[in-house]
Amino acid sequence: GAGVSQSPSNKVTEKGKDVELRCDPISGHTALYWYRQSLGQGLEFLIYFQGNSAPDKSGLPSDRFSAERTGGSVSTLTIQRTQQEDSAVYLCASSLIVRQTYEQYFGPGTRLTVT
Amino acid sequence: DQQVKQNSPSLSVQEGRISILNCDYTNSMFDYFLWYKKYPAEGPTFLISISSIKDKNEDGRFTVFLNKSAKHLSLHIVPSQPGDSAVYFCAAGIQGAQKLVFGQGTRLTINP
Repeated sequence: GAGVSQSPSNKVTEKGKDVELRCDPISGHTALYWYRQSLGQGLEFLIYFQGNSAPDKSGLPSDRFSAERTGGSVSTLTIQRTQQEDSAVYLCASSLIVRQTYEQYFGPGTRLTVT
Repeated sequence: DQQVKQNSPSLSVQEGRISILNCDYTNSMFDYFLWYKKYPAEGPTFLISISSIKDKNEDGRFTVFLNKSAKHLSLHIVPSQPGDSAVYFCAAGIQGAQKLVFGQGTRLTINP
């Protein structure tokens, strides 16, 4: 079946502009995660959605970052007033919450460049 | 505070030999661990996992070892193949918490 998809694949924006990144998780997956990978770094957790529960926003680096998940499926990550340090690859993942299974399935990512 | 560390940014191994990738963690609450493989311009793909109740898990050419007392895990690939060339990330989590903490990654290059 279809995997996790993300759009756009690449985004170049000017400093100070807002951007929206989209994630379509695997159908039926109840959990959705956003991570980012800065150059030479590991994956940094941003936010996690699970069903109708309140999202875990503990990884969002500032209040310029927000995310929503509509209808328990598609998610949008919004970065307001982008800064150069926001340049990174933003990765979305989804998973089934099943006992003893913790695998997350990742999309190809959106490469964001802030000039 | 880097809770999961991969101290080797890169590793080069000859085809057919064993590749050993290492990972250390500091949080004793972590009770499951995963390895992911990432090719350029693609998202990470799941490789193998291990629960803290085990010290070894094997899947084909891939074996993960966990040493809880040392807070150390390793991934063994044998025999190494050219297609194994990729960046490998270890990740750790706490059951029930779902979010994963990733290491910085190790770039593995398999030489023919």
